[in-house]
Amino acid sequence: DTGVSQDPRHKITKRGQNVTFRCDPISEHNRLYWYRQTLGQGPEFLTYFQNEAQLEKSRLLSDRFSAERPKGSFSTLEIQRTEQGDSAMYLCASSSLSGRHYNEQFFGPGTRLTVL
Amino acid sequence: AQSVTQLDSHVSVSEGTPVLLRCNYSSSYSPSLFWYVQHPNKGLQLLLKYTSAATLVKGINGFEAEFKKSETSFHLTKPSAHMSDAAEYFCVVIQGGSQGNLIFGKGTKLSVKP
Repeated sequence: DTGVSQDPRHKITKRGQNVTFRCDPISEHNRLYWYRQTLGQGPEFLTYFQNEAQLEKSRLLSDRFSAERPKGSFSTLEIQRTEQGDSAMYLCASSSLSGRHYNEQFFGPGTRLTVL
Repeated sequence: AQSVTQLDSHVSVSEGTPVLLRCNYSSSYSPSLFWYVQHPNKGLQLLLKYTSAATLVKGINGFEAEFKKSETSFHLTKPSAHMSDAAEYFCVVIQGGSQGNLIFGKGTKLSVKP
């Protein structure tokens, strides 16, 4: 069990640029979640996948945001035309629908995005 | 709709004294509740979870929480604080149904003085 990994850990970009983050969940976890955490706040749900299907998107996920999980394994989160308000920590989590840790979400270390 | 309220944004204790981090929840049905801890520059880690079994839940690192339906509370406690407990703690409720989306409180920062 190598845990959830995210890449990159830090990203600095200029306003208007596109950025893409990657999340590798724990092997064989069915569900994969994306959250956003701003300074001094708790994480807020963005979207989640069950296998390759994106089942829910938060109202926080504007049309500049898109997420994919093409083969039901890793996932990418893309932000187009970044704005300064997009600066935050982007967290990925995964969970299994079976076993002792049923529906417990395991979090990655996050990708910290700074938009200048 | 489900929600959680963490009553203190910052709690400071001395090493070796008890810890109490308060959380109240709002839910239209029997909720699933969690406490997560976030150390600086580290990922969120699950401390414990309540899923309608025993009301007193024991977690890792000596933490425990008691689910009290009559008070709609799920406070986190530890008998004796350690310096390594200094971190941000989040009370979390799971979104209704099987979606599993987590709803986080605003967090309580725990400081431990030597």
